[in-house]
Amino acid sequence: ETGVTQSPTHLIKTRGQQVTLRCSSQSGHNTVSWYQQALGQGPQFIFQYYREEENGRGNFPPRFSGLQFPNYSSELNVNALELDDSALYLCASSLAEANEQFFGPGTRLTVL
Amino acid sequence: DQQVKQNSPSLSVQEGRISILNCDYTNSMFDYFLWYKKYPAEGPTFLISISSIKDKNEDGRFTVFLNKSAKHLSLHIVPSQPGDSAVYFCAASVRAAGGTSYGKLTFGQGTILTVHP
Repeated sequence: ETGVTQSPTHLIKTRGQQVTLRCSSQSGHNTVSWYQQALGQGPQFIFQYYREEENGRGNFPPRFSGLQFPNYSSELNVNALELDDSALYLCASSLAEANEQFFGPGTRLTVL
Repeated sequence: DQQVKQNSPSLSVQEGRISILNCDYTNSMFDYFLWYKKYPAEGPTFLISISSIKDKNEDGRFTVFLNKSAKHLSLHIVPSQPGDSAVYFCAASVRAAGGTSYGKLTFGQGTILTVHP
């Protein structure tokens, strides 16, 4: 059974640029959630995708957007990057009827 | 508004002794609680969970206790091992109507556990 994978591992961007992060869910999981973890903080919920549609969103601006594909993989897009967007971005997959979410290793984004 | 709080940033324990990690929450709508462990350069790993209809759940060396009236939960690790050294996060969620999870996990800030040999 393959776990959750994310790419890239690290990324450096400059302010104002756009970034796309990718996530492959654990085999059999149909729901993907994205979280932002700033240094010294717990992960903060960005949004969740189920059946290719957004199924809940946290307190993040519209420049954070996402996609889910028919194979349940997902992308997180962030436009007009700001310095405060520097963080670890975590993807988690789950079954829609389950509470337990399983996380990938994350993508470390640095915005200069 | 920090709805889930872990007030101890760090905890140091001797190998073989009990580790007790605490977590408080303010949102009475939370009805499912989880603990995750995180090593550096890895994503959080699910440890154990508990539904609000229970007050205790046990899995091997890990036991989670829930006190709904106090809005408090704790994770007990017995006996503690050096490999348990990591950051521990508690998280809470609200089930959507019909029993299907809405999926938003609200996390605490984490507690760094160090288990000394």
